[in-house]
Amino acid sequence: NAGVTQTPKFRVLKTGQSMTLLCAQDMNHEYMYWYRQDPGMGLRLIHYSVGEGTTAKGEVPDGYNVSRLKKQNFLLGLESAAPSQTSVYFCASPRSSGEETQYFGPGTRLLVL
Amino acid sequence: AQSVTQPDIHITVSEGASLELRCNYSYGATPYLFWYVQSPGQGLQLLLKYFSGDTLVQGIKGFEAEFKRSQSSFNLRKPSVHWSDAAEYFCAVGPSFNQAGTALIFGKGTTLSVSS
Repeated sequence: NAGVTQTPKFRVLKTGQSMTLLCAQDMNHEYMYWYRQDPGMGLRLIHYSVGEGTTAKGEVPDGYNVSRLKKQNFLLGLESAAPSQTSVYFCASPRSSGEETQYFGPGTRLLVL
Repeated sequence: AQSVTQPDIHITVSEGASLELRCNYSYGATPYLFWYVQSPGQGLQLLLKYFSGDTLVQGIKGFEAEFKRSQSSFNLRKPSVHWSDAAEYFCAVGPSFNQAGTALIFGKGTTLSVSS
């Protein structure tokens, strides 16, 4: 049981390039979340999903798209990366149905030049 | 609006001294409250949580926190700080179960430095 995993761990992009971040959970959970962490800002919710095939916007969704085609995977896409998207991205999910505690993946550090 | 405030951006404590990190929240209903810790370059680890019941909750690594509804606070404490406690600490508030899917609201974090 690996919990929540994220790939890649680190990536450098040029402005305008696209990429997809993958979050995978082996806990068979309905809820999954993507956050970004910036210095002095804490964590802010980008998008979330309450089940396979569903997604919803969080606090800072602009410039990102998401998909939840399979229950265990939650993808975060950047269609045209901007320097403002340089950040650390965390995926989170509860460990059991009905649990409110979120457990976080190890993070993806993204640098956009 | 729902929000979490951590008034102290950076705190320095001597090793062996006591620690208190402050957290205040604004939330319409009874919140779920969490403290997470993040070591440099690492992910977030759950220290403790409060859902209901006893307002003093114990967590890992010798930490505890007290929920004070009248003060809308959930301060984190440790009686004796160790050098390994140097990290960034985040307070977060969560929805009740019938609002599931609305995620956590985080404070901006408090960086703890430990001096010898």
